[in-house]
Amino acid sequence: SQTIHQWPATLVQPVGSPLSLECTVEGTSNPNLYWYRQAAGRGLQLLFYSVGIGQISSEVPQNLSASRPQDRQFILSSKKLLLSDSGFYLCAWSGPGPNTEAFFGQGTRLTVV
Amino acid sequence: GENVEQHPSTLSVQEGDSAVIKCTYSDSASNYFPWYKQELGKRPQLIIDIRSNVGEKKDQQIAVTLNKTAKHFSLHITETQPEDSAVYFCAASSGAGSYQLTFGKGTKLSVIP
Repeated sequence: SQTIHQWPATLVQPVGSPLSLECTVEGTSNPNLYWYRQAAGRGLQLLFYSVGIGQISSEVPQNLSASRPQDRQFILSSKKLLLSDSGFYLCAWSGPGPNTEAFFGQGTRLTVV
Repeated sequence: GENVEQHPSTLSVQEGDSAVIKCTYSDSASNYFPWYKQELGKRPQLIIDIRSNVGEKKDQQIAVTLNKTAKHFSLHITETQPEDSAVYFCAASSGAGSYQLTFGKGTKLSVIP
């Protein structure tokens, strides 16, 4: 069966520090991978998605970036965090092709102080 | 791009009553409409989805209806139980052949025993 791992679960970082959140998927090949941010009262905002290694699409211009160095690995990064980057970050995967069910990771609660 | 509006933002019902959550979307080419349930502190999980070639779909106590002409879809939960209390999100694919889901802002459902 397929599983998705996301870490860390919680993170407190100072303003201006770098960020690296990692997500890996097991039990499937060539998944679509996603990073979402969830802010209170604002639902789930798609940040990045990837349909293959090295292919990243950005939905929201900001100081975050994403990379997909391996088929089942998706990384969210920042060189310098802002206070406004605080939130709940969720990684997700879906099967190859469009319009398929998304499965979410456990999420990372990021607090920038 | 796609825009999804979800109402109401909060909903309280008595145990055993029905709950209805409504969503509208803007892109007439969208053809996949999932609903997710997120319990407090947990990841969103798919509870039901519908595709544009179907007008209604049922799964035990939950049902979803889709009106493509009016561009709206609804979630119906019958015989609610306290464990149905959660935040529910609707979503729509961002056009045909899309890899992206646009989410509504969520409805916090409280089932009062």
